[in-house]
Amino acid sequence: EDKVVQSPLSLVVHEGDTVTLNCSYEVTNFRSLLWYKQEKKAPTFLFMLTSSGIEKKSGRLSSILDKKELSSILNITATQTGDSAIYLCWAVAQGGSEKLVFGKGTKLTVNP
Amino acid sequence: GAVVSQHPSRVICKSGTSVKIECRSLDFQATTMFWYRQFPKQSLMLMATSNEGSKATYEQGVEKDKFLINHASLTLSTLTVTSAHPEDSSFYICSARDRARYRNQPQHFGDGTRLSIL
Repeated sequence: EDKVVQSPLSLVVHEGDTVTLNCSYEVTNFRSLLWYKQEKKAPTFLFMLTSSGIEKKSGRLSSILDKKELSSILNITATQTGDSAIYLCWAVAQGGSEKLVFGKGTKLTVNP
Repeated sequence: GAVVSQHPSRVICKSGTSVKIECRSLDFQATTMFWYRQFPKQSLMLMATSNEGSKATYEQGVEKDKFLINHASLTLSTLTVTSAHPEDSSFYICSARDRARYRNQPQHFGDGTRLSIL
């Protein structure tokens, strides 16, 4: 059975800390991995990772995929209270119709 | 950028009422739309995948007669919660995939609908 596991499920840090969120997957016909950030309403897209070992970066956020280890990490440096959110990791499988496999999310709380 | 409009943003109604939620892609064509449900403090749960011009594909455990999905055009999908009961109260979110540019950003999300059944 296809699955995506995120860890930790919940994390509380102080402003300025650096955090690493983990996502591991077991997906047949894996194509790509997606990271989204969800605050109060709809998730916002962060990264789509398809190739192993290539870091994607956006400001203080970065992410990388390791296809050998079937995992990905999302790093946030110099965290701010505005980074508090649920971070979602999804795997996309190839197929006639695209299949999505969802992780349960990591709830990050950044305290001032 | 791509925008998905979801309406209404909040609904409060009596038990037994049917509620329709609309999801529109405003500046792109979406051959595929997704409907999610989210319980408090939990991750999104995919309910169904809606393809334009064909029947929706429901996830296991989701009642298709309870949650009616219609995707009649490339820019509009609707979710109707039929004869809603308090246990249907939840946050419902739709997303749409831009068929022209999905490889760069697979899904664009609406802002969600908070449904409260009294």
